[in-house]
Amino acid sequence: ETGVTQTPRHLVMGMTNKKSLKCEQHLGHNAMYWYKQSAKKPLELMFVYSLEERVENNSVPSRFSPECPNSSHLFLHLHTLQPEDSALYLCASSQDRFGQPQHFGDGTRLSIL
Amino acid sequence: EDQVTQSPEALRLQEGESSSLNCSYTVSGLRGLFWYRQDPGKGPEFLFTLYSAGEEKEKERLKATLTKKESFLHITAPKPEDSATYLCAVLGPSTSGTYKYIFGTGTRLKVLA
Repeated sequence: ETGVTQTPRHLVMGMTNKKSLKCEQHLGHNAMYWYKQSAKKPLELMFVYSLEERVENNSVPSRFSPECPNSSHLFLHLHTLQPEDSALYLCASSQDRFGQPQHFGDGTRLSIL
Repeated sequence: EDQVTQSPEALRLQEGESSSLNCSYTVSGLRGLFWYRQDPGKGPEFLFTLYSAGEEKEKERLKATLTKKESFLHITAPKPEDSATYLCAVLGPSTSGTYKYIFGTGTRLKVLA
């Protein structure tokens, strides 16, 4: 299997639930990213991991909690989300953070009831 | 403030009608400019990287060019399968001393048969 794989593809949850999004990359890349994509807005960078160390946290609310157990896997743990958190959540990876392009998964479409 | 602006927001072309998409940016210390294609329900797919003014890249009916202020994605004799949203992103210095990707809101292209 190649590329960046995200699961689940769709998720519906209540505001009091706890769930996790998973991302796996098979490209041998050293950097991984979480983005939020909402209609008519640019992709919003949430978190950046480089060699499993979090190097950027873009003022994201604490109800989103990332985890990077190794260079191939990235998780986004969700708890007590708000309706405005409904969006497409994209994972990406790149060889490094200094000029290489990012490769994206197909995202998780999250709906908060 | 660093930003990326794409125009037009939406574009409808007849099959075979060539046109150009624009990506203008304000960022000091550009490390790279990236073009992506995004189909509905999918993540962005990497197309091109441009690193310096005057650089050009081509792939099938697409050609990307870069100046010090903007990039163009030229589409020659488009086909219906070229219909997608085209995203532009720049990589530049962040306030934390590292680098960050900044995305535009995209151009939605529709090619009619």
